[in-house]
Amino acid sequence: DQQVKQNSPSLSVQEGRISILNCDYTNSMFDYFLWYKKYPAEGPTFLISISSIKDKNEDGRFTVFLNKSAKHLSLHIVPSQPGDSAVYFCAAETTAGSSNTGKLIFGQGTTLQVKP
Amino acid sequence: KAGVTQTPRYLIKTRGQQVTLSCSPISGHRSVSWYQQTPGQGLQFLFEYFSETQRNKGNFPGRFSGRQFSNSRSEMNVSTLELGDSALYLCASRIDIDNEQFFGPGTRLTVL
Repeated sequence: DQQVKQNSPSLSVQEGRISILNCDYTNSMFDYFLWYKKYPAEGPTFLISISSIKDKNEDGRFTVFLNKSAKHLSLHIVPSQPGDSAVYFCAAETTAGSSNTGKLIFGQGTTLQVKP
Repeated sequence: KAGVTQTPRYLIKTRGQQVTLSCSPISGHRSVSWYQQTPGQGLQFLFEYFSETQRNKGNFPGRFSGRQFSNSRSEMNVSTLELGDSALYLCASRIDIDNEQFFGPGTRLTVL
């Protein structure tokens, strides 16, 4: 049972345009969401996060939107740059309750290619 | 601040052996989590330690174990290695809950 899903395995965009990566979740207990960027054979790099009490969080070129009723979040990258080409993982966590600590549930990842 | 470090970066073992991986968290971070990444299963949570206590554990067999020391450094151990244990093992640290986790570069374990 995959609780966090990234339905698009890959995405290709032109440099300077917007990249939109999507993520769906099923567990309504998730209250903290994160996006990570990953290169092969390296650890994930934290990009941006959002708490379930918000519907938007922005950090430079990166914006994450959360739609709790649809159990959907998205990462917008504007403008996209060739250096953004990587695998992007969506992750979710339940922070309430001691038994849930430290456990990030990851999606399967979306490979983003930004073409010059 | 230095990031999360993991040693060794690469490891080759044979079936039946055991292995210990090490993780040094970012200074001041007291929580350390471990994850396994494989092509088939993706990134999966192994366990989390805070102040030398295991607070959470994923769905892995008892062959996978870990511990955390008083300086927050953590080790994970896999006994009786199987071919399916070949994976990238990632360690992540954070100050505590409600904060993002920062990952190390991982240890690539190959079991022959």
